[in-house]
Amino acid sequence: AQTVTQSQPEMSVQEAETVTLSCTYDTSENNYYLFWYKQPPSRQMILVIRQEAYKQQNATENRFSVNFQKAAKSFSLKISDSQLGDTAMYFCAFMVLGGAGNMLTFGGGTRLMVKP
Amino acid sequence: NAGVTQTPKFRILKIGQSMTLQCAQDMNHNYMYWYRQDPGMGLKLIYYSVGAGITDKGEVPNGYNVSRSTTEDFPLRLELAAPSQTSVYFCASSWELAYEQYFGPGTRLTVT
Repeated sequence: AQTVTQSQPEMSVQEAETVTLSCTYDTSENNYYLFWYKQPPSRQMILVIRQEAYKQQNATENRFSVNFQKAAKSFSLKISDSQLGDTAMYFCAFMVLGGAGNMLTFGGGTRLMVKP
Repeated sequence: NAGVTQTPKFRILKIGQSMTLQCAQDMNHNYMYWYRQDPGMGLKLIYYSVGAGITDKGEVPNGYNVSRSTTEDFPLRLELAAPSQTSVYFCASSWELAYEQYFGPGTRLTVT
């Protein structure tokens, strides 16, 4: 079974600073997909960034970037120039296609507070 | 586009009652999903569908049923509600399995 672990239940960062959220996962598969989703207080889940395991290049979306270490099974999210609107729960998620896969497995989440 | 819509937003059920959570999407996505989110936890997949007439179980399907008669709609049925089903329920859809999932606003269900 696939598992996703987010070891930081809560984090805080000052506005305009950089913060990194950690995520590790466990799988015996070689081809899979990794995601970071954001859940603000409105409860709406929003995709932040997506990484395909076969791509060595780290995904980037504006102020959000990942550090994907396949051998270490690590997928951390870096938020640069943090903004108040980044305050939210952040969930790391993982998907393998086919077999017992075809489903997103979520970590327990990290609550991020951006302070003015 | 309305995206993914869910009704109702809130509901309180008594133990043993039944109800249907509605979900609809207007993006012509083939794939649709139902998740539950317990307090302080990540989402867990209940059921998913790869197209009209095709559904499959997720991680936590017991106590739930689904149907998919059209591309747009994917209702979730709770039979004989139990306190363990108290949760927030999210519906989502995607173009392909490994692509971005678009989520609805959620339904907060309390079973007492």
